[in-house]
Parts: sequence; structure tokens; C-alpha cells
Amino acid sequence: SQQGEEDPQALSIQEGENATMNCSYKTSINNLQWYRQNSGRGLVHLILIRSNEREKHSGRLRVTLDTSKKSSSLLITASRAADTASYFCATDPSWGYQKVTFGIGTKLQVIP
Amino acid sequence: NAGVTQTPKFQVLKTGQSMTLQCAQDMNHEYMSWYRQDPGMGLRLIHYSVGAGITDQGEVPNGYNVSRSTTEDFPLRLLSAAPSQTSVYFCASRENRGRYEQYFGPGTRLTVT
Repeated sequence: SQQGEEDPQALSIQEGENATMNCSYKTSINNLQWYRQNSGRGLVHLILIRSNEREKHSGRLRVTLDTSKKSSSLLITASRAADTASYFCATDPSWGYQKVTFGIGTKLQVIP
Repeated sequence: NAGVTQTPKFQVLKTGQSMTLQCAQDMNHEYMSWYRQDPGMGLRLIHYSVGAGITDQGEVPNGYNVSRSTTEDFPLRLLSAAPSQTSVYFCASRENRGRYEQYFGPGTRLTVT
């Protein structure tokens, strides 16, 4: 079964709006990562947040982590058409850090 | 650096045929992994390796074999292809400790008829 589950599965917004995607997971983690996948391409790493961090920023990206609720959110501010892609969360479990598992993803469409 | 390379990009197999998907990385990463991506299922881990000579199973290992004889290469073998193995396959690599972000190859689109 998938360790991470993203919500919503699809999101359509206007350019300039903010996009928020959520990820829930089941077991204790060492860190949580967000990746982006453009159609037909491999995944690209966006940002990593460790289990002892609560919030992290990178450019227009903001990630939060709530280990008590086993959930994370990715916020993309001032979205652009080029942000149109699928976004995945991936978890590194604290018991076996090599077994990185991914969620099913959120498909984001940013309308110009 | 070429990063992570995968060959072939596309492949069509008949049921029962065997083939090897190739994956190579030139970043001297110890950790390599194979995922399959199916619509609505996200990426599922097939096998992974933490170094040459060391491999382990992921979530969906049945029907696939791997070996890791060098740091650079991590081939994925389908011994007897089945239609259920129609998917897009991604190889990824990363350092074993410290930096956890994975680098992905461009993928292999496999169709089994």
C-alpha cells in the first residue's frame, strides 16, 4: 500500500493564485520530500523536510510537517502556468530509511 | 554528468518474453531504486540497492529480478513478461546518507501484449 496519500488528486487554479496540496502518511518517518513530474518525464526533487522540522521554504514553495497528525502540506504561491505538473510526496521511514515510498500524486493545472 | 540514464525509452513485449531494462548513473551514488508508475497508483517501489552486491525487495517485487555488480549499473529483469507489467518504469539514485533527494531517469514505457 502507498505510504503517502496526496489530497486532492486533481487541482485546477488560475495563474497567480496559491495552490495547496496535502500528504498523509502512516508510519514514523525520517524525512518527507516533495517531487514534481511534468507530463511524460521523470520526477524532480523540490524540497525535503526532516522529521524535527515544522516548516521549510524554498522560493515560492512552503512545506509544513505535522508529525503528530502524520501529514504535510505543500504550498505554491503566485502560481504560474509552468507549475502545471503532478506533485508527489515521498517518505523515508525512520525504521528503514532506504525504502522510500511515494503517494499517488496531485495533478495541478494552472490556467493562464 | 549525464545523471541517471535509462534504456530503452519504449519497448513492446509479447507475453512470456524476457527483457532487461538498463539503468546507469555517473554520480557515484550508493543507493539505486526501481519504481513503476501506473495511472492512479503513483510510484511503487519494485527493488532497491544500497550498494554493489546488496539488493532488497520493495512493495511490488514479484516478476522482477535485479542485481548490482557495480556502483554505476542497476538493471531490472523481467523473466516472463505479463500484461500486468505494462507500465512506465523509473530508475532513481541518491547518496546513501546525508542528502536524501533522489535523481530520476527519464523512464521506460513498457507495453506487454
